[in-house]
Amino acid sequence: QVQLQQWGAGLLKPSETLSLTCAVYGGSFSGYYWSWVRQPPGKGLEWIGEINHSGSTNYNPSLKSRVTISVDTSKNQFSLKLNSVTAADTAVYYCARGVFQLVSRLFWFDPWGQGTLVTVSS
Amino acid sequence: DIQMTQSPSSLSASVGDRVTITCRASQTISSYLNWYQQKPGKAPKLLIYAASSLQGGVPSKFSGSGSGTDFTLTISSLQPEDFATYYCQQSYSTSWTFGQGTKVEIK
Repeated sequence: QVQLQQWGAGLLKPSETLSLTCAVYGGSFSGYYWSWVRQPPGKGLEWIGEINHSGSTNYNPSLKSRVTISVDTSKNQFSLKLNSVTAADTAVYYCARGVFQLVSRLFWFDPWGQGTLVTVSS
Repeated sequence: DIQMTQSPSSLSASVGDRVTITCRASQTISSYLNWYQQKPGKAPKLLIYAASSLQGGVPSKFSGSGSGTDFTLTISSLQPEDFATYYCQQSYSTSWTFGQGTKVEIK
């Protein structure tokens, strides 16, 4: 049973860099797309980006200029950095495993981490 | 980006009701559509992938249908544990996008 456990700073000031890490337990790290999704308070879900075990990344175009996702395969961990944060970046941030089936091209997120509330306030 | 629009944004229903939620894509996405359930303070949980395939361990009262641009999630008999927010998500093209959510509340 794969489990994702995430951690990182929960309170930031404007212009600082958000940094979160997600560890993967109980399953293979290769063959998946490791993703970050965020949810502003009371709002819907926004995909931030993803990385595979080889380090290949895809980012949401709306955040691409500020986002870096990296991977540490020796620890089965992946990380998110979002720079120059503002109040608009206040959200619960989730890590999730992206499952991609090569033949069918099907893709879905399962499972998800527990979420980390990141608040940006001066 | 492909825009996903759910309707209604919220609904009130009683235990035992049959509930249907609709999701529309801004362009055709074949059957590349997933549904998630999110309870307050919890992470989303995958219910259905590929428009109609039930994720393992998900009760059969949940079903999905549709292809192209129009999709539905149906809960055949609403139970107390089903009161939650439901999201659709397109997996046709990166960047992946979600609907705005449908909150199912107790009447």
